Amino acid sequence: GNSVTQMEGPVTLSEEAFLTINCTYTATGYPSLFWYVQYPGEGLQLLLKATKADDKGSNKGFEATYRKETTSFHLEKGSVQVSDSAVYFCALISNTGGFKTIFGAGTRLFVKA
Amino acid sequence: DGGITQSPKYLFRKEGQNVTLSCEQNLNHDAMYWYRQDPGQGLRLIYYSQIVNDFQKGDIAEGYSVSREKKESFPLTVTSAQKNPTAFYLCASSAQPTGPQPQHFGDGTRLSIL
Repeated sequence: GNSVTQMEGPVTLSEEAFLTINCTYTATGYPSLFWYVQYPGEGLQLLLKATKADDKGSNKGFEATYRKETTSFHLEKGSVQVSDSAVYFCALISNTGGFKTIFGAGTRLFVKA
Repeated sequence: DGGITQSPKYLFRKEGQNVTLSCEQNLNHDAMYWYRQDPGQGLRLIYYSQIVNDFQKGDIAEGYSVSREKKESFPLTVTSAQKNPTAFYLCASSAQPTGPQPQHFGDGTRLSIL
């Protein structure tokens, strides 16, 4: 079946450090890939998405590239801020999965000033 | 602004009591979803609805019930049969039930046991 695996957290970084959160997936068909962010006490917000291989999604300084050969969609940011502290979820939707969204377990990020 | 409104933000349940969580959207979305989130864990799908007057069980439907009488509303009832209801409940919607449509989320309801 379809699944998403994220690196375990928490990830703790100092302000202005480089961020990578790893995400790999297993899916049949041609999945679309997403990153969502959840700030404390809130729901999830879509951060970025990519719908086909080699697409790069980007938003608010975050980027992720859809790598079909490695089945990965790693989230990166060149310089994190304290305000980026949140939980990040990788997710996929596959045409062979009834178009249900499959979420990873989430990775908590703490950014220290 | 369009969005999803969940209420109440905090809810307390007594033993043996049913409680209902409200979810309303004004995005004109066809599909709506209910998820449960436990501390430090990901999202688990409770129920989803692709169209008015129709809904399907998700991965953890036992002890929960839903209705979809209007396109904009998808209330979730946590029944007394749900023995461990303490969690953060998230409602979401997407434009269409098929295709790679991202989901839009409300701000959640935190349910606790008295």
